[in-house]
Amino acid sequence: DIQMTQSPSSLSASVGDRVTMTCRASQSISNYLNWYQQKPGKAPKVLIYAASSLQSGVPSRFSGSGSGTEFTLTISSLQPEDFATYYCQQTYSSPRTFGQGTKVEIK
Amino acid sequence: QLQLQESGPGLVKPSETLSLTCTVSGDSISSSSDYWGWIRQPPGKGLEWIGSIYYSGSTYYNPSLNSRVTISVDTSKNQFSLKLSSVTAADTAVYYCARRTGIAAGDRFDYWGQGTLVTVSS
Repeated sequence: DIQMTQSPSSLSASVGDRVTMTCRASQSISNYLNWYQQKPGKAPKVLIYAASSLQSGVPSRFSGSGSGTEFTLTISSLQPEDFATYYCQQTYSSPRTFGQGTKVEIK
Repeated sequence: QLQLQESGPGLVKPSETLSLTCTVSGDSISSSSDYWGWIRQPPGKGLEWIGSIYYSGSTYYNPSLNSRVTISVDTSKNQFSLKLSSVTAADTAVYYCARRTGIAAGDRFDYWGQGTLVTVSS
């Protein structure tokens, strides 16, 4: 199985901050990488697919980059509704695996 | 607007079989080229992909659960189902059904049910 490791596991930030988080794969996955946002008690919501493609309806302050084994999710200006947990997922091979999550908290 | 809704018992005894159904509305399971899947999340933990199915019945499962999992589809009811046998407390989780769309690197879960908590306890 491909292991996905996210860092940091949590971070504190203020509204308006630029926030960056990382996802690393245990082997190369090209650009087969998705990012999801999950709020407490809610289902995950896809933000980014194919490492850098913005899902329809997702605000443009979210962006993704990377290829191979290292990927980044950036929120350009953190909004109150962005406080949540973010998961990466690889779709390069089966089983599809997720990272353990990065929780974005209010500073 | 596509909607998915999980249903099934919220409490299952150890060693028994967990059974859940996902009802899809707003689109026909058999009219699209998409797959349909199950994902679970133990309380306070991360996400685990369980398996996926195509409307034709083609399936693929997470090997860690492979021997215990069966996913089936009923196109006449626009539903797909999950059965997980020989459950233990470790199978306690919120279970989500979702649509898997896209091909190659575009593969992602874009519509999700709200999730249902299944507790394994005697």
